[in-house]
Amino acid sequence: DAKTTQPPSMDCAEGRAANLPCNHSTISGNEYVYWYRQIHSQGPQYIIHGLKNNETNEMASLIITEDRKSSTLILPHATLRDTAVYYCIVRVRGDYKLSFGAGTTVTVRA
Amino acid sequence: DTGVSQDPRHKITKRGQNVTFRCDPISEHNRLYWYRQTLGQGPEFLTYFQNEAQLEKSRLLSDRFSAERPKGSFSTLEIQRTEQGDSAMYLCASSLNTGANVLTFGAGSRLTVL
Repeated sequence: DAKTTQPPSMDCAEGRAANLPCNHSTISGNEYVYWYRQIHSQGPQYIIHGLKNNETNEMASLIITEDRKSSTLILPHATLRDTAVYYCIVRVRGDYKLSFGAGTTVTVRA
Repeated sequence: DTGVSQDPRHKITKRGQNVTFRCDPISEHNRLYWYRQTLGQGPEFLTYFQNEAQLEKSRLLSDRFSAERPKGSFSTLEIQRTEQGDSAMYLCASSLNTGANVLTFGAGSRLTVL
């Protein structure tokens, strides 16, 4: 039972912002949105998470709509090393595991 | 090194053989997870430990699979009588028992069953 919907793939240009969408229309009030990415032949890497408010860290920004039914991960200046599969995951606060979908394969092109 | 270590990184075995993977989590992390990932798919949850207690096992974890975490430190995942369908990347992750519960993953152990 997928809780999130992401496009299977997207391209973006090196140096430009990459905006990765995620739909989570059935999200409930105690569920957080997490983003991970997986570079080829590596384990998934945590990027950012949020509940209601927009969040920013050194890697990315997370914009969550007011109704919380969708979110966007923004990589402000994409580099070739950002080429990876990006996973948007919804998790109940206090739950210990993550359930991954198929993610979005992001290819950054020079 | 403060990351999650997995060993071996690659294992090729013949069908019917037993294999064991080891995971060394980040030392202060009390939660440990095993996931399996096949080509083109996202990781699938297998099992979870809090300290030495195995608190959840997925339906994916058949009786040929066993995981342990003695003394709440490193963990092992053993697969007995391997089948070709067991070919996958086996990922280990660890986390602290905090609200954010951010999982840190290892690089994985890739299993190929011939």
